[in-house]
Amino acid sequence: DAKTTQPPSMDCAEGRAANLPCNHSTISGNEYVYWYRQIHSQGPQYIIHGLKNNETNEMASLIITEDRKSSTLILPHATLRDTAVYYCIVEGTYKYIFGTGTRLKVLA
Amino acid sequence: DVKVTQSSRYLVKRTGEKVFLECVQDMDHENMFWYRQDPGLGLRLIYFSYDVKMKEKGDIPEGYSVSREKKERFSLILESASTNQTSMYLCASSLTSGRVQYFGPGTRLTVT
Repeated sequence: DAKTTQPPSMDCAEGRAANLPCNHSTISGNEYVYWYRQIHSQGPQYIIHGLKNNETNEMASLIITEDRKSSTLILPHATLRDTAVYYCIVEGTYKYIFGTGTRLKVLA
Repeated sequence: DVKVTQSSRYLVKRTGEKVFLECVQDMDHENMFWYRQDPGLGLRLIYFSYDVKMKEKGDIPEGYSVSREKKERFSLILESASTNQTSMYLCASSLTSGRVQYFGPGTRLTVT
């Protein structure tokens, strides 16, 4: 199963875009990239996923590099409620392997 | 919306007690999962089930067992609770075709 590498923490000003990077250099051709976030003391919340094309939904955008070795989650207009730990996961069969994620703090 | 519920948000048990953690999902998902989450270690998979009465060990199954008698319900059992099983326990479910996992709110278990 592929592993992911994320910065341990990031700050972002409220109203600005938050760009969260993730490296997954050993990803296999049929493995998807998933992003979740976890607000303190709650279960992880699904945000978005993709295989090789960029994806957008009402919460965020996902940009995957052409070689698929890295991706960026973009929260276009961060709010204080986006303060959370963000996990990038590469899925192999049924198993998610969670890293320690990026702690995003949105500042007023 | 998918709803995954867990029987308790907080639970305190004594060493040696048998503990049942229950998870119910309402979206007819085939797959269900139990994780534990500890500071600095992230979420680790304990067991998962891809069908009724079917189960597979995850990365840390020691000290745990599971039961899935009905499709919507997946139970995690600690046969004899120990202090090193104090943790946050998270349940999740997914469709086999979809693979996106939906998580419950978690149960914070303290074993004293």
